[in-house]
Amino acid sequence: NAGVTQTPKFRVLKTGQSMTLLCAQDMNHEYMYWYRQDPGMGLRLIHYSVGEGTTAKGEVPDGYNVSRLKKQNFLLGLESAAPSQTSVYFCASRKNGHGMNTEAFFGQGTRLTVV
Amino acid sequence: KQEVTQIPAALSVPEGENLVLNCSFTDSAIYNLQWFRQDPGKGLTSLLLIQSSQREQTSGRLNASLDKSSGRSTLYIAASQPGDSATYLCAVLGQNFVFGPGTRLSVLP
Repeated sequence: NAGVTQTPKFRVLKTGQSMTLLCAQDMNHEYMYWYRQDPGMGLRLIHYSVGEGTTAKGEVPDGYNVSRLKKQNFLLGLESAAPSQTSVYFCASRKNGHGMNTEAFFGQGTRLTVV
Repeated sequence: KQEVTQIPAALSVPEGENLVLNCSFTDSAIYNLQWFRQDPGKGLTSLLLIQSSQREQTSGRLNASLDKSSGRSTLYIAASQPGDSATYLCAVLGQNFVFGPGTRLSVLP
């Protein structure tokens, strides 16, 4: 019953450092998403994936890269962190299609601070 | 581009009141609409999902309605409790999910 798990939960980076956020889901979902949530800006889509080996850009992709080498994992990378990337990052997943079984499930978030 | 708004931005009510949260979206070409709850410092918890062909969904004290043609959804909470205090977000699914800014609800004991 793990659902969507994000690692790590908290991280402080120095400007210019790199890091990878891991999202893992155990529901065999095809779709996976990375969002960032900022005060006054709401949730904004960074990148998403519709299946293993595929990725696509969302609304705010600059400064981030993603990979989906395995169906259950979706990685978000910051190659050179900037203070503007200080945010709370959420991963989500859902099944393919558009019916009642396509409910989206979210992880608990990663709080990232770039100093 | 899909835009989602929520009214009110914040709401404070005494315990026991029935209340309505509103969600509006600009593009009616959606597959479904989902309501979430977010507690401070936590992730999003799904409350209800309404398919575009449906008019409403119910779960316990929660009832969500959808009028796709007018671009509106409402979340009705009956007999509110202090434990209902949280931020409520609606999201519409077209090509991807687009979220509203949320309504921050406080239920006072």
